[in-house]
Amino acid sequence: DAMVIQNPRYQVTQFGKPVTLSCSQTLNHNVMYWYQQKSSQAPKLLFHYYDKDFNNEADTPDNFQSRRPNTSFCFLDIRSPGLGDAAMYLCATSRGGQDKGGYTFGSGTRLTVV
Amino acid sequence: LAKTTQPISMDSYEGQEVNITCSHNNIATNDYITWYQQFPSQGPRFIIQGYKTKVTNEVASLFIPADRKSSTLSLPRVSLSDTAVYYCLAGSYNTDKLIFGTGTRLQVFP
Repeated sequence: DAMVIQNPRYQVTQFGKPVTLSCSQTLNHNVMYWYQQKSSQAPKLLFHYYDKDFNNEADTPDNFQSRRPNTSFCFLDIRSPGLGDAAMYLCATSRGGQDKGGYTFGSGTRLTVV
Repeated sequence: LAKTTQPISMDSYEGQEVNITCSHNNIATNDYITWYQQFPSQGPRFIIQGYKTKVTNEVASLFIPADRKSSTLSLPRVSLSDTAVYYCLAGSYNTDKLIFGTGTRLQVFP
């Protein structure tokens, strides 16, 4: 089945130690998104790639970076994780623009910072 | 993207019909209304989408009045497995982004 896969499901990292979360898709969608979701809050969009074009949300901290080496993969890099970065990180894909019902989300990576 | 307002939480019992209303007073002409469902420790998943009047699928119905300033998600005969957070979104086809509002936490009791 076509899907969005996030690895790992759970990640523990040390305060200040760089960490990378990965996302892959078999849907061949143009757009890939990263969301941050803290406990009891709605998902918050960090940034997205439309093909190779990177689009950063205005309030996304510089500590968060992303790479998309090809259509299938997208990475979230947190350069110096702080305790406040502990959250669920969700990757999503879409064809872009036209269908707000056509977003497919992965199961997320829960990040713990110790 | 139109701002949406929905109740923070709702309680129901198994077998009942649940109606969750969403307000989107500033909805634009080309905005669609889309609902997503999120279970704990999972990503959101699409439930239903509509532009006006009524849309029905195997999971839910969506009612949108003529002025389109609000919409109602209807879940027939809920079960315990319908316990989740439900997000209402009103977004334009012209953007590539999905922005979530606060959502409604639905708790279904036996």
